[in-house]
Amino acid sequence: DAGVIQSPRHEVTEMGQEVTLRCKPISGHNSLFWYRQTMMRGLELLIYFNNNVPIDDSGMPEDRFSAKMPNASFSTLKIQPSEPRDSAVYFCASSLAMARRTDTQYFGPGTRLTVL
Amino acid sequence: GENVEQHPSTLSVQEGDSAVIKCTYSDSASNYFPWYKQELGKGPQLIIDIRSNVGEKKDQRIAVTLNKTAKHFSLHITETQPEDSAVYFCAATQGAQKLVFGQGTRLTINP
Repeated sequence: DAGVIQSPRHEVTEMGQEVTLRCKPISGHNSLFWYRQTMMRGLELLIYFNNNVPIDDSGMPEDRFSAKMPNASFSTLKIQPSEPRDSAVYFCASSLAMARRTDTQYFGPGTRLTVL
Repeated sequence: GENVEQHPSTLSVQEGDSAVIKCTYSDSASNYFPWYKQELGKGPQLIIDIRSNVGEKKDQRIAVTLNKTAKHFSLHITETQPEDSAVYFCAATQGAQKLVFGQGTRLTINP
């Protein structure tokens, strides 16, 4: 069974450009998480969805960041306009959420974003 | 909100020896504590987890212990092997599904 799929794996862009990161969760999972990993701040949760609905976006750094989940098989994280400080590895994770129980989150391979 | 502290930040052990990584958490309502292993260029991978209704869990060479009273939990790796070299992260729940991660421990196994 395929794990979480992310694309692209690497993205290099110039400051001011729009960047779109993509994620396909594990089939059957109903929760999806976007994380950012940097040396300074470690692994931070940006936003998560349950059944395609955003539940908590308190980790989204600012209005330049937006995330969507149009269906159960696809999510995007968009940065517009991008800035050098957005350079990081962005991970998508998915899980099968059950009532009153936290379940395992499975991570994708990540997208390494470099903003010049 | 939840705060997770992880120690040490780096750990170097001889092959065959044991390695222990410790984490503390702040939210007494946290009830799920996973440990992830991250190899270079890859995403974190779950290696073991524990829920608040048990004090210890083992899986071959890996074990996790939980002390709810003191709000700390530890990862124990016995008979370490070179392939155990990686960065290890602990995490604790905040609310129903959010995970708050520790800062990570870079473990190096010396042959």
